[in-house]
Amino acid sequence: QQQVKQSPQSLIVQKGGISIINCAYENTAFDYFPWYQQFPGKGPALLIAIRPDVSEKKEGRFTISFNKSAKQFSLHIMDSQPGDSATYFCAARTGGYQKVTFGTGTKLQVIP
Amino acid sequence: KAGVTQTPRYLIKTRGQQVTLSCSPISGHRSVSWYQQTPGQGLQFLFEYFSETQRNKGNFPGRFSGRQFSNSRSEMNVSTLELGDSALYLCASSPPTGGNTEAFFGQGTRLTVV
Repeated sequence: QQQVKQSPQSLIVQKGGISIINCAYENTAFDYFPWYQQFPGKGPALLIAIRPDVSEKKEGRFTISFNKSAKQFSLHIMDSQPGDSATYFCAARTGGYQKVTFGTGTKLQVIP
Repeated sequence: KAGVTQTPRYLIKTRGQQVTLSCSPISGHRSVSWYQQTPGQGLQFLFEYFSETQRNKGNFPGRFSGRQFSNSRSEMNVSTLELGDSALYLCASSPPTGGNTEAFFGQGTRLTVV
């Protein structure tokens, strides 16, 4: 079974703090690792993505760190804001196909 | 540019019935994939269609089927509904170029089986 393990299941962070979500995968054939953000009543939306030949990617307040040897990757949200409160999914995909394997999700709550 | 449109948004069906869900991808997108989202199992891949051909299939029973039309619109059908089929069904479309292309999700169809 191709799995992507995600932790924590839920996270409460103070406004301005750093939110960190961790994921681990097993299948070394995965070659694209997107993170999705989902608000209630909406479909997931791509936040940021990384390929395994890069160790870090930053877009605004969002950073992915990737450790290929450990088969782990994480999302850091700097200066977390109440508007960031949502469920975050890490994911992995093989090749150009759209068969995406999702993590179990992290419900983030940023409190003022 | 219009996003991915899924209809209907909400649906209530009785156990044993069948249901058809519809997905209109973003204009120009040829890949359409379907996912089931439940609190217990999370987001699970159902199948992907590209140019009217099923390109990938997840681990779901044969009661779940789909098809894609020449205009890239896709339908998903579930026959002999079970209570456990209650879920949010999400459709995603992707542009025709290969490689690491983004999947754009619709808002989903909330199916409740009673």
